Amino acid sequence: ETGVTQSPTHLIKTRGQQVTLRCSSQSGHNTVSWYQQALGQGPQFIFQYYREEENGRGNFPPRFSGLQFPNYSSELNVNALELDDSALYLCASSPADYGYTFGSGTRLTVV
Amino acid sequence: AQRVTQPEKLLSVFKGAPVELKCNYSYSGSPELFWYVQYSRQRLQLLLRHISRESIKGFTADLNKGETSFHLKKPFAQEEDSAMYYCALSGRMGGGNKLTFGTGTQLKVEL
Repeated sequence: ETGVTQSPTHLIKTRGQQVTLRCSSQSGHNTVSWYQQALGQGPQFIFQYYREEENGRGNFPPRFSGLQFPNYSSELNVNALELDDSALYLCASSPADYGYTFGSGTRLTVV
Repeated sequence: AQRVTQPEKLLSVFKGAPVELKCNYSYSGSPELFWYVQYSRQRLQLLLRHISRESIKGFTADLNKGETSFHLKKPFAQEEDSAMYYCALSGRMGGGNKLTFGTGTQLKVEL
């Protein structure tokens, strides 16, 4: 059991809507990263949080935002959804800056 | 900028044949490299990392800084090795590390 749980597993949203994806990490995993995986591509880094502070961001617009909570859970929020946001969103957590454990992902479809 | 290139989208080999999955990287600093594997309907999981120099499930990978490569090898392919393999590079960004993934190689082991 990897200990990283993501919800929901699947989601369909309409263009322009907002979505919140959730991740629950193992106790002690202070670092959490979010990735976007489009069909046929490798995961793309969105951002990383360490002890509830964002400490790195990839090439994604500000409408992608996140939160990390003291109970080792985190959220990815996406505003003003676009069709190209359709992808698998992965959460990965680690007790430090290495050895990431990935969740199963949330499949987001924007119509 | 950090970049990972996996030139083959699909690699098909017969059971018992040697396997080599290619990975080249671009990074200005001292890289930390990983191979991740995703079996059918399972989550992404770490296969091996170059600093540990382990052999996992018979797979090995050697970092060649001169050729900027980190190819994954196995002398005798098994049917259960069929999966999607991603090469990833961990590089510093801001206060933490981010993983940059290649586009992946689908390994198919035929009987």
